[in-house]
Amino acid sequence: DIQLTQSPSSLSASVGDRVTITCQASQDIKYSLNWYHQKPGKAPKILIYDASRLETGVPSRFSGRGYGTDFTFTIDSLQPEDIATYYCQQYDNFIVFGGGTRVEI
Amino acid sequence: QVQLQESGPGLVKPSQTLSLTCTVSGGTLRNGGYYWSWIRQHPGQGLEWIGYIYYSGSTYYTSSLQSRVTISLDTSKNQFSLKLTSVTAADTALYYCAVGYGSGRLDWGQGTLVTVSS
Repeated sequence: DIQLTQSPSSLSASVGDRVTITCQASQDIKYSLNWYHQKPGKAPKILIYDASRLETGVPSRFSGRGYGTDFTFTIDSLQPEDIATYYCQQYDNFIVFGGGTRVEI
Repeated sequence: QVQLQESGPGLVKPSQTLSLTCTVSGGTLRNGGYYWSWIRQHPGQGLEWIGYIYYSGSTYYTSSLQSRVTISLDTSKNQFSLKLTSVTAADTALYYCAVGYGSGRLDWGQGTLVTVSS
């Protein structure tokens, strides 16, 4: 089974900071990686698909890159409403989620 | 846009079967481009994919639950269901149904909490 290792597990940053999260796959998943955020008490919502494509309606401060086994997710200028837990998800072989990154201000 | 709503008992006794239903609106189970998923989240923890089903009836389950889980469709009601047998306290979780579409993207229901306790 494919494993996704996400880091860090939590981080604290200030409004306006650049935040980066990494997701490493245990085997080559090409670009088959998505990113979600989950706000407290809510269901996850997709932000990035196919490693780097911005979902319609998602602010452009969110971005993703990577291919194969190493992926990154970036928030260019952290906003108060970005407080959430962020998950990567691969779909190359069924579905697997990373362990999550809690982002705090 | 497809909307999803989970329903079912919030409390299940140990060793019994957990049964949940997801009602789909704004779309049809007959859409061959979608797959219908169940995902759970243990309290304070991350996301665990349980399985999904296509309109064709093909099902795929995570290996750790494969022996206990069944996902099925009811196209007449535009619903799909989850059954998990022989539950224990370790199955206490928030259960989400979700629709999968292009590039593995998932749209989620709001989730329903199931507690396993006597």
